[in-house]
Amino acid sequence: TQLLEQSPQFLSIQEGENLTVYCNSSSVFSSLQWYRQEPGEGPVLLVTVVTGGEVKKLKRLTFQFGDARKDSSLHITAAQPGDTGLYLCAGESVGTYKYIFGTGTRLKVLA
Amino acid sequence: GAGVSQSPSNKVTEKGKDVELRCDPISGHTALYWYRQSLGQGLEFLIYFQGNSAPDKSGLPSDRFSAERTGGSVSTLTIQRTQQEDSAVYLCASSIRTSGSYEQYFGPGTRLTVT
Repeated sequence: TQLLEQSPQFLSIQEGENLTVYCNSSSVFSSLQWYRQEPGEGPVLLVTVVTGGEVKKLKRLTFQFGDARKDSSLHITAAQPGDTGLYLCAGESVGTYKYIFGTGTRLKVLA
Repeated sequence: GAGVSQSPSNKVTEKGKDVELRCDPISGHTALYWYRQSLGQGLEFLIYFQGNSAPDKSGLPSDRFSAERTGGSVSTLTIQRTQQEDSAVYLCASSIRTSGSYEQYFGPGTRLTVT
């Protein structure tokens, strides 16, 4: 059974601080995606990483895919209250179109 | 253009009743996924459609769950003889293949409560 463990589960920080969220598995994935979800809404795709070692930047967000394509991280610089939400990673199983979602990290940024 | 829509947005049903959840995907998206999310946690994969066929039904929790897709568009997820443990938010995503992976666009979900 493929699992994606995210850490930390909960994170409460002050505006302006930096943070990193981790997504780890013992399985290899074809690609890995990060989503953010707000209450009462579906997840919204932030980024897709496909190549091992790949780094993508989206304004204050930096995403990295591990060299072995088993893990990923999301780093937020100078967090803002608008970053508050549930962050989910999702790995695409090799040879299938099935996505395994991580356990989620609930982020709260205080003004 | 319109995004993914789901109906109803909320459904309260009595234990033992059947329910039908509907998903209207983005036009032209050939792939469609159903997931279940319990209390703000991660998403549990239920089923995936490519066109009208479902090559992967491995996530359906029991034979009380079934899904179909017609005309390569609308999909319905049916839960028969609902149980309290079926209470969750059911999310649908339509998807298009780009740059080596599927980009999933989610609907707002249907919140199912079984009393």
